[in-house]
Amino acid sequence: EADIYQTPRYLVIGTGKKITLECSQTMGHDKMYWYQQDPGMELHLIHYSYGVNSTEKGDLSSESTVSRIRTEHFPLTLESARPSHTSQYLCASSEPGLSRGYTFGSGTRLTVV
Amino acid sequence: GQQVMQIPQYQHVQEGEDFTTYCNSSTTLSNIQWYKQRPGGHPVFLIQLVKSGEVKKQKRLTFQFGEAKKNSSLHITATQTTDVGTYFCAGRVNQAGTALIFGKGTTLSVSS
Repeated sequence: EADIYQTPRYLVIGTGKKITLECSQTMGHDKMYWYQQDPGMELHLIHYSYGVNSTEKGDLSSESTVSRIRTEHFPLTLESARPSHTSQYLCASSEPGLSRGYTFGSGTRLTVV
Repeated sequence: GQQVMQIPQYQHVQEGEDFTTYCNSSTTLSNIQWYKQRPGGHPVFLIQLVKSGEVKKQKRLTFQFGEAKKNSSLHITATQTTDVGTYFCAGRVNQAGTALIFGKGTTLSVSS
């Protein structure tokens, strides 16, 4: 059973606010990822981590930052939200090795007004 | 950068008809994965293909990986309304493990 949790599920905030999207997994996976997905569109990799204190930027230019202080926790922070950040943010994790698929969380639907 | 192209973008079929989505990469892939995302949901892992020319089946779903490891396909036989959703392929370039790059997906709708 998938054990990756994202909070909040929905968020509406004003422009300029700082927000943190939470992602936690209880599977002990070293690898974690953040993807951004507009409705009905492709997934864009924005950040990933291969373990504690390891973070990398993905292909999509993003004004967000991430941290990986604990294996189970991979939060995403927007220092100053803008309407262009309105999207769905999906967190995923995977086991070591290349034979496993990603387990995705239910996502956070962010609206910046 | 690496690109994974997927066609068609949308496909509507009558229940019982077959459906195929195609995935092409600009570079050779070490493996390819397929995911299904139901409307309003999150992607769910279906399968991974690793070997050149590999074919795998899951009930009515048949997955193929091309000989050159640059293309893949998903074929659904006799679609059902439960097959509705967006199907994504996702590829990885090398064994060292960059993160997966997802295609744009094919959205399947099925009318009964």
